[in-house]
Amino acid sequence: AQRVTQPEKLLSVFKGAPVELKCNYSYSGSPELFWYVQYSRQRLQLLLRHISRESIKGFTADLNKGETSFHLKKPFAQEEDSAMYYCAPGGQGAQKLVFGQGTRLTINP
Amino acid sequence: DGGITQSPKYLFRKEGQNVTLSCEQNLNHDAMYWYRQDPGQGLRLIYYSQIVNDFQKGDIAEGYSVSREKKESFPLTVTSAQKNPTAFYLCASSLQGGMMNTEAFFGQGTRLTVV
Repeated sequence: AQRVTQPEKLLSVFKGAPVELKCNYSYSGSPELFWYVQYSRQRLQLLLRHISRESIKGFTADLNKGETSFHLKKPFAQEEDSAMYYCAPGGQGAQKLVFGQGTRLTINP
Repeated sequence: DGGITQSPKYLFRKEGQNVTLSCEQNLNHDAMYWYRQDPGQGLRLIYYSQIVNDFQKGDIAEGYSVSREKKESFPLTVTSAQKNPTAFYLCASSLQGGMMNTEAFFGQGTRLTVV
């Protein structure tokens, strides 16, 4: 069964500072990891997936199979990055879509 | 206009009553999901369906029921057996079930309040 842990419920950083949201997963197969984001008064939406190896809104995430982690990083945080972020594991054989507990990121001016 | 629609946006229920939340999608997705979102607890899976006429319990199915008679619809009934039903409910769909490598799309949510 797939499981994911986001150890920080709340994270607060200043604008322009680096930000890292942690995600650790447990998955028996070959994992594919996703980050979803929920901005205030907006729908939950996909931010990025590891398989595409892309940078979205300045965010990147590297799958580290040795550490079973998929941390989300951004070198210079912006105020508009304030949101709720969820990590989600997937991949072939994953029967259902489950999420971590979520991290509320607040960017202070 | 393609997407996933939940209705109503706000719902009030008296204790002891059942209530049904609607979720409709026109994305031709096979899989659909219901979640409950509570402060500090993230998203918890209630029920999911990988294909029409089939559904499975999630992590917190007690006090809830679903049906999947049509591909585009996955209504959730919150029964009187649910001890703490006041919450924000989210519905989602994805192209395939059983192969979670595709993006999930979410509705705007329904806030249920028991009065």
